Parts: sequence; C-alpha cells; structure tokens
Amino acid sequence: DAMVIQNPRYQVTQFGKPVTLSCSQTLNHNVMYWYQQKSSQAPKLLFHYYDKDFNNEADTPDNFQSRRPNTSFCFLDIRSPGLGDAAMYLCATYRPVGLAGGNNEQFFGPGTRLTVL
Amino acid sequence: EDQVTQSPEALRLQEGESSSLNCSYTVSGLRGLFWYRQDPGKGPEFLFTLYSAGEEKEKERLKATLTKKESFLHITAPKPEDSATYLCAVPGRRGSNDYKLSFGAGTTVTVRA
Repeated sequence: DAMVIQNPRYQVTQFGKPVTLSCSQTLNHNVMYWYQQKSSQAPKLLFHYYDKDFNNEADTPDNFQSRRPNTSFCFLDIRSPGLGDAAMYLCATYRPVGLAGGNNEQFFGPGTRLTVL
Repeated sequence: EDQVTQSPEALRLQEGESSSLNCSYTVSGLRGLFWYRQDPGKGPEFLFTLYSAGEEKEKERLKATLTKKESFLHITAPKPEDSATYLCAVPGRRGSNDYKLSFGAGTTVTVRA
C-alpha cells in the first residue's frame, strides 16, 4: 500500500554526471516537495509544486531542478553533482486542509540515498 | 525566520526508562506542530499533529503535549523498537509559507535492552 514511492532507493553517480531521482504518489495530493537531508541534520526544503506551480527556495542551488509532468510524478534533476550533494533526498506530498480529503499531514517517501564518487 | 530547536540531540535509555524530548519554536500564530519518527535510511513517518496549547495525543508508548512555546514527546517504558530519530516541525505563517514545514534537527533515541 505504498503511497509515496521513490526510485531508486540508492543511487551512485560520478562527480559531474547528471542524475535524476523520481517520486510518484497514489494519494492524488496537490503539493509535492523535494527535501535534502544530510546526516544528523534536519530535512532542508529544495522546492515544491502546488499543482503545476513551481516554488523554488531562495537558497537552492541552480544545479538542482525539478519537473512535474502530472499530478502523480515529480522528478529531481541534479545537473552536475558535486561531492557536497551526497545526501538522502526525500519526496513528500500534501493536500491542503481546505480541499476535500485534505489534512495537515505531509507524507514522506522512503528516500533516495545519493552517493557521489 | 521561523525557528525550531530540539533537545537533547541524542538520548540513550535503558528499556523501561521513561524520558521526554523537547521541541521549542518561535513561529508566531502557530498553526500546528508535527512530530515524525525517522528510522535510519528511511523517510520520516508521521506521528502526531498538535494545534493548541494544552492538547495531548497518544500512540502506544508515545505521548505528545503542546504549550505556547514548546512541545514535549514523552516516551513511557520504552522498548528497543522505539529507537529512532524523532523530528518536530511547524508550518510557516499563513501566506506564501502555508505549505512549507520548518524542521528541527531531531533527537536520536537509542533504547538498550
């Protein structure tokens, strides 16, 4: 009954080699988020989509981009990964309280652990 | 800027030794405080939402409480399977930050048998 699915769970890439992480959801939630989490740190929001509207955090590097082709899928593209981009990448979804079926919970996927060699 | 601070950073407990974790926040006009559990190598798992001072919620050995400035997560008679990192988070002020959460760095709890 997985609701937020991330693929792959583990990704190894080389310095500078583009990589794409994917997230899909079966919840029909309007909002999808990408977070970066490094060891022993809080999840850091990179960007989020409200439906098709993209919202970038001010301090998210240009190296990180995202695509949301439809409600169910969202992708994180890292154009030229550096060693400092090695982290857990978390996808989360949310449906605002004001909408039918909405509540205040953000549902997280299992994450993709990115290693940069 | 909204701030969420959790303490302690790490907590080592013997099985059965009850304790509490703290989450303090500075956001004005709180519109909910969330507790998550995160196991190593996994995504956060939702535990509780608290909305108003004095509110309490329970789930098995966990009880979350909320005051105007902080929240506590009480672990009663913990078992080794309660070992995890516990994260708290608050949403931004109403407006452009409506849908964004600010997370604390978490408290890593280790329960020894």
